[in-house]
Amino acid sequence: RKEVEQDPGPFNVPEGATVAFNCTYSNSASQSFFWYRQDCRKEPKLLMSVYSSGNEDGRFTAQLNRASQYISLLIRDSKLSDSATYLCAVTPGGGSNYKLTFGKGTLLTVNP
Amino acid sequence: DTGVSQDPRHKITKRGQNVTFRCDPISEHNRLYWYRQTLGQGPEFLTYFQNEAQLEKSRLLSDRFSAERPKGSFSTLEIQRTEQGDSAMYLCASSPTRGLNTEAFFGQGTRLTVV
Repeated sequence: RKEVEQDPGPFNVPEGATVAFNCTYSNSASQSFFWYRQDCRKEPKLLMSVYSSGNEDGRFTAQLNRASQYISLLIRDSKLSDSATYLCAVTPGGGSNYKLTFGKGTLLTVNP
Repeated sequence: DTGVSQDPRHKITKRGQNVTFRCDPISEHNRLYWYRQTLGQGPEFLTYFQNEAQLEKSRLLSDRFSAERPKGSFSTLEIQRTEQGDSAMYLCASSPTRGLNTEAFFGQGTRLTVV
């Protein structure tokens, strides 16, 4: 089992749709969780950290389920500008909590 | 621009040549990372510096790769005797040392093509 696995996608949705991405991780000791957004041929940009209590930033909501070892990202009222690849990233905890392990990413295309 | 800066943005080199990339992290960040990303994959961890000390190297970093951060500020990544399999985007990231959360910010990357 890979350390971090994401929905393979791609996702094609109309503007205004709600879309959800899931990401599972294999290391139960994982400590920190993030969602990054990556535009084509650009660098990953931090979208949100994911906290145990869940967190929301405008149209974006992130959830963490430690028992089932997955994190999710919900995008409401999607915009054309949301089109990108969404990467989840996890740190292993302990002494290596600085090291991000990424999923392969899920490509989202929002259509007019 | 106060973000992570990488140079060059693109590099095309012939197989067997040496290449060196530079990364300037966000100035107050003492943690610096190198990652490599190939098409269709997420970034993969290569190495980590805390100030000038290189504290971890991935098994992905063969002996042809060397990274330095001599004064705890900018870092260089050198690849000797490049191979076609080295073609990838090389990403540098930095983060502050604070608490448990390590929010890392990436530079724009150096895209290496080995021909």
